[in-house]
Amino acid sequence: GAVVSQHPSWVICKSGTSVKIECRSLDFQATTMFWYRQFPKQSLMLMATSNEGSKATYEQGVEKDKFLINHASLTLSTLTVTSAHPEDSSFYICSASGTYGYTFGSGTRLTVV
Amino acid sequence: DAKTTQPPSMDCAEGRAANLPCNHSTISGNEYVYWYRQIHSQGPQYIIHGLKNNETNEMASLIITEDRKSSTLILPHATLRDTAVYYCIVRVRDNYGQNFVFGPGTRLSVLP
Repeated sequence: GAVVSQHPSWVICKSGTSVKIECRSLDFQATTMFWYRQFPKQSLMLMATSNEGSKATYEQGVEKDKFLINHASLTLSTLTVTSAHPEDSSFYICSASGTYGYTFGSGTRLTVV
Repeated sequence: DAKTTQPPSMDCAEGRAANLPCNHSTISGNEYVYWYRQIHSQGPQYIIHGLKNNETNEMASLIITEDRKSSTLILPHATLRDTAVYYCIVRVRDNYGQNFVFGPGTRLSVLP
């Protein structure tokens, strides 16, 4: 079946540094990938939609210069949290859509200290 | 996509059937009912989906009312590992450019 690999599963970084999260579709090509953010005891909220070879579309209130998304190939999308601050601490989840429908990554727990 | 309503939480005894309801009274004729679940600190996991017929797979059964305004996800023999938040989502199938919209879901606690 369709598998989406997300890496790293958790990361701790210092305030002001940048962190890159990778999302790979392992056995299918994903023309579209979605990035979600989830705060404790809340549901998943869409941050941005990433289309291969084009600029990402960001949801209202999500800073595109802070959350850089690159979808350079049909199997890889990356989310870079730039100049991270403690309020960026959250659970980030990617999802890929392709011929097998939708599959979610296992998530990345980001803690900014 | 149509909006769904689910109870915020439910308990179920281990080994018993867990019946999770979902209301989707504004569902359109071409929208499917999807169920996902999210175990703590993991990504959502697909469970099942259907249009109007009842569906069953190795994980669960999906019962959709004839008017399609509500549905029930049934876990026939709940285990402790089924403790999770369950999301009912209605949307057009194969619309791969459209994301899933997650509501608050139902937090199912399976009790020993």
